[in-house]
Amino acid sequence: NAGVTQTPKFRILKIGQSMTLQCAQDMNHNYMYWYRQDPGMGLKLIYYSVGAGITDKGEVPNGYNVSRSTTEDFPLRLELAAPSQTSVYFCASRLTGLGYGYTFGSGTRLTVV
Amino acid sequence: GENVEQHPSTLSVQEGDSAVIKCTYSDSASNYFPWYKQELGKRPQLIIDIRSNVGEKKDQRIAVTLNKTAKHFSLHITETQPEDSAVYFCAATAMDSNYQLIWGAGTKLIIKP
Repeated sequence: NAGVTQTPKFRILKIGQSMTLQCAQDMNHNYMYWYRQDPGMGLKLIYYSVGAGITDKGEVPNGYNVSRSTTEDFPLRLELAAPSQTSVYFCASRLTGLGYGYTFGSGTRLTVV
Repeated sequence: GENVEQHPSTLSVQEGDSAVIKCTYSDSASNYFPWYKQELGKRPQLIIDIRSNVGEKKDQRIAVTLNKTAKHFSLHITETQPEDSAVYFCAATAMDSNYQLIWGAGTKLIIKP
């Protein structure tokens, strides 16, 4: 198993540009999450999904969109990038039900200039 | 909803000494409490977890204790080594939000040689 795979690892965007951060998992996990982590700070939930076709907002969803057309993939879309979106983005997944930890991807480091 | 507080924010210990990080949670229904370690520039990784029907769990030099009455749980690291230097995050399950994890703010553990 590759686990949770995120691409790209690094990206520099200009203000106003758009991009999609890719996340794929091969563990048949129904639950998937997108977090952002600013330097020296904790994890903030952007969006999450409990299964294909179902998504819900986290605590900081503004400026982002997600889709979940398959169990494996959970892309995060940034529209009209702003400097405030400079951060490290982590995708995570877990098994359905109580008492399961998250498996994280290696992250995407995004800089908006 | 669930709220998790983590203390201290920074902990500096001499190599070979023990380190203790404490978290408190607000929802008495929470029943799963994982701990994650995040090394600089890396993804968070699950190091140990505990369920509410257990009071203590050990894995080599790492242990977690849970006090359900007081609603707190702690991470204990004995015989600390340089490779223990990292940020540690605690979390608790949010029972009213599809069992997603609610995160503590993190503790930066510094091991002094």
